[in-house]
Amino acid sequence: DAKTTQPNSMESNEEEPVHLPCNHSTISGTDYIHWYRQLPSQGPEYVIHGLTSNVNNRMASLAIAEDRKSSTLILHRATLRDAAVYYCILRAGGYQKVTFGTGTKLQVIP
Amino acid sequence: NAGVTQTPKFQVLKTGQSMTLQCAQDMNHNSMYWYRQDPGMGLRLIYYSASEGTTDKGEVPNGYNVSRLNKREFSLRLESAAPSQTSVYFCASSDPRDRDGYTFGSGTRLTVV
Repeated sequence: DAKTTQPNSMESNEEEPVHLPCNHSTISGTDYIHWYRQLPSQGPEYVIHGLTSNVNNRMASLAIAEDRKSSTLILHRATLRDAAVYYCILRAGGYQKVTFGTGTKLQVIP
Repeated sequence: NAGVTQTPKFQVLKTGQSMTLQCAQDMNHNSMYWYRQDPGMGLRLIYYSASEGTTDKGEVPNGYNVSRLNKREFSLRLESAAPSQTSVYFCASSDPRDRDGYTFGSGTRLTVV
């Protein structure tokens, strides 16, 4: 299974942009890049996903490197409610054994 | 509200007791999953079900059994609980055809003493 690597933790000031990196050097051509976040005492929540092109939705933006070996989740204006653990996973579709790593714990400073 | 519903939310078991964690989804998803999350750790896949009538082992299946009762429901059973199974259990569902995200339940916090 292709793996992802993320920093253990990051900090951001409130109302500033946050760039959360993810490395996935062994990504295959059929792998989609998915991001989830997990708020304290809750289940993970889907944030965004993409294949090759950058993607935007109401929650965030996803920037994918041209060689697809890395990606960045962008929160345009961090709020205190964005403090969570962010997971980057690869998913080819179907019923794979996808395991979430430890993710990046984002702390937002007022 | 549409989503994944897990019951119970909290449970304390004694070593050796058995119990079943229930999960139901109302999004007409084909695939369902059971994960466990230990303190400070990521989520590890226990079992998954690609579709009604099929189940497969994930990363950490030992000590667990599952049943895909119908398209909506996927249960996880602990036959003889052990302290090592103290964890938070999450059920999730997805539709594999469109590669969209998983939808997770709110979790069951299980303590085995």
